[in-house]
Amino acid sequence: KAGVTQTPRYLIKTRGQQVTLSCSPISGHRSVSWYQQTPGQGLQFLFEYFSETQRNKGNFPGRFSGRQFSNSRSEMNVSTLELGDSALYLCASSSGELAGTDTQYFGPGTRLTVL
Amino acid sequence: DQQVKQNSPSLSVQEGRISILNCDYTNSMFDYFLWYKKYPAEGPTFLISISSIKDKNEDGRFTVFLNKSAKHLSLHIVPSQPGDSAVYFCAFQGGSEKLVFGKGTKLTVNP
Repeated sequence: KAGVTQTPRYLIKTRGQQVTLSCSPISGHRSVSWYQQTPGQGLQFLFEYFSETQRNKGNFPGRFSGRQFSNSRSEMNVSTLELGDSALYLCASSSGELAGTDTQYFGPGTRLTVL
Repeated sequence: DQQVKQNSPSLSVQEGRISILNCDYTNSMFDYFLWYKKYPAEGPTFLISISSIKDKNEDGRFTVFLNKSAKHLSLHIVPSQPGDSAVYFCAFQGGSEKLVFGKGTKLTVNP
């Protein structure tokens, strides 16, 4: 089985721009979660999508949004980029059937740099 | 308010010895506990997990221990190998939390 894939791997944007990141989960997985990793805050949960619906949401501003398509692929969008949005954005997929305990498998991440 | 604390940012051990990584947590709603390993430029890789009804789970060289009364989770790697050198994250699920991560411990296993 192919693993979780994320595109692009690296991205450089300037303040005020917007960005869209893409994630393709493991085949058969219906849940996709997004995380932000920064040196200061570590790994923080952004949101989770299951069957095209947002099922869980972390404590991030509304500039961070996402969606999931019928094939379970997911996109994350960040609008009006700020310098502090520079981070590694990780996507994780799981079956989603056991809402609390199914193991998540991570993609390699997208490294976003905001100048 | 940090729900999870991984107090040692780094740990160095000799090959063949035991590596012990620790996490403390405060949220009593956590009921599923995991360890992930992360190499540079890669996403975290699932290592081992334990549910709240157990106090120990073993998988080869890796053993996870859960002390619910002390709200303490640990990972033992024995014997440690140079390929185990990576950043290790503890992670917790339960209640309204999807997955809460510690800040990571960088393990270096010296040949």
